[in-house]
Amino acid sequence: DSGVTQTPKHLITATGQRVTLRCSPRSGDLSVYWYQQSLDQGLQFLIQYYNGEERAKGNILERFSAQQFPDLHSELNLSSLELGDSALYFCASSAPGTVQETQYFGPGTRLLVL
Amino acid sequence: GQNIDQPTEMTATEGAIVQINCTYQTSGFNGLFWYQQHAGEAPTFLSYNVLDGLEEKGRFSSFLSRSKGYSYLLLKELQMKDSASYLCAVNRPGGYNKLIFGAGTRLAVHP
Repeated sequence: DSGVTQTPKHLITATGQRVTLRCSPRSGDLSVYWYQQSLDQGLQFLIQYYNGEERAKGNILERFSAQQFPDLHSELNLSSLELGDSALYFCASSAPGTVQETQYFGPGTRLLVL
Repeated sequence: GQNIDQPTEMTATEGAIVQINCTYQTSGFNGLFWYQQHAGEAPTFLSYNVLDGLEEKGRFSSFLSRSKGYSYLLLKELQMKDSASYLCAVNRPGGYNKLIFGAGTRLAVHP
């Protein structure tokens, strides 16, 4: 158990809908990262937040958005869902003040768009 | 551009040793990570190398050569539970896309 929690574990929805994925980082971690992993694909970095501020953006679609709240939990919002958005979505967190900044991953949310 | 290459699949026998290679070309380098990921589960941290040489951690060791843009993960005394994907990831300094993952190597351990 990494200490990172994600809810829900599974989500089934229809095309065109909107969903919200939630992540709570490890205690003391200030950075939260979101990744998408499609079937048999590598981890694609979406976005990073540090202490409430957006720090880095990767291949995140305009239909997707995220935020990090004062209590440091983060939400990833996916809207106008398409079949191709079906994937595992992972959240990771890391501690501040280290060069290494090892990322610890949550169990993921499996999204299925029908 | 950024490029991280790993073999797609490998097979090995229980009790044996296997070496999983990773080559990288990235703009900026601030260390290299190896993660293990069982199917449908979260990646879990295995090792981090920032200096050249070998880091040993139990049955797992990781090696880095920065001049060659090369790393390997060595797994000894293979067990069935080692069947998983192994992800190589380069840590880049600065903001954008800080951790870049390779596609992963799927390792199957057979009795």
